[in-house]
Amino acid sequence: DAKTTQPPSMDCAEGRAANLPCNHSTISGNEYVYWYRQIHSQGPQYIIHGLKNNETNEMASLIITEDRKSSTLILPHATLRDTAVYYCIVGDSNYQLIWGAGTKLIIKP
Amino acid sequence: DGGITQSPKYLFRKEGQNVTLSCEQNLNHDAMYWYRQDPGQGLRLIYYSQIVNDFQKGDIAEGYSVSREKKESFPLTVTSAQKNPTAFYLCASSIWGPGELFFGEGSRLTVL
Repeated sequence: DAKTTQPPSMDCAEGRAANLPCNHSTISGNEYVYWYRQIHSQGPQYIIHGLKNNETNEMASLIITEDRKSSTLILPHATLRDTAVYYCIVGDSNYQLIWGAGTKLIIKP
Repeated sequence: DGGITQSPKYLFRKEGQNVTLSCEQNLNHDAMYWYRQDPGQGLRLIYYSQIVNDFQKGDIAEGYSVSREKKESFPLTVTSAQKNPTAFYLCASSIWGPGELFFGEGSRLTVL
């Protein structure tokens, strides 16, 4: 079973910030939080990852709670092209990552 | 451009036939991975390789085989022993250790 819990689906209006939650209450100290997204019938695309501190890159921001039991991925200005399935995954090595079903994010005009 | 190339994109085969899916990368990554994805589900790890001439079984290796004779190449064979081979197959590569996985565009196999 996946080590993370995500809502199966979410909607967001175009131009607004999309906030995707993820629970990982059993995360261990050396495990990272990764976010990927997958547009239908394509390979997943890496978004961001972090260990303890909040992270930001050109695509998104990752906010990790102080106890590391949950995190939020923020897409600051969602566009229609951000419609995809978003996966939150935890692990300390890529071969140990367990992928759940993710959150299907639909951006509405 | 650097990246991962999978081929073919679509493949149809008759039941009982072996099929080989190609995966090539020019990112100079040591580690390569094969995943299987079924509709509405996440990815499941079939095999991974940390280095040339070495590979390890993932969670669902039964009915699959791989080789890693070159750093750039990690082909996957879906054998007739795989009971339900129809799926979307994804190849990925990375540096060894935590960090970004780079994925190919996938190969969709349909067994008739």
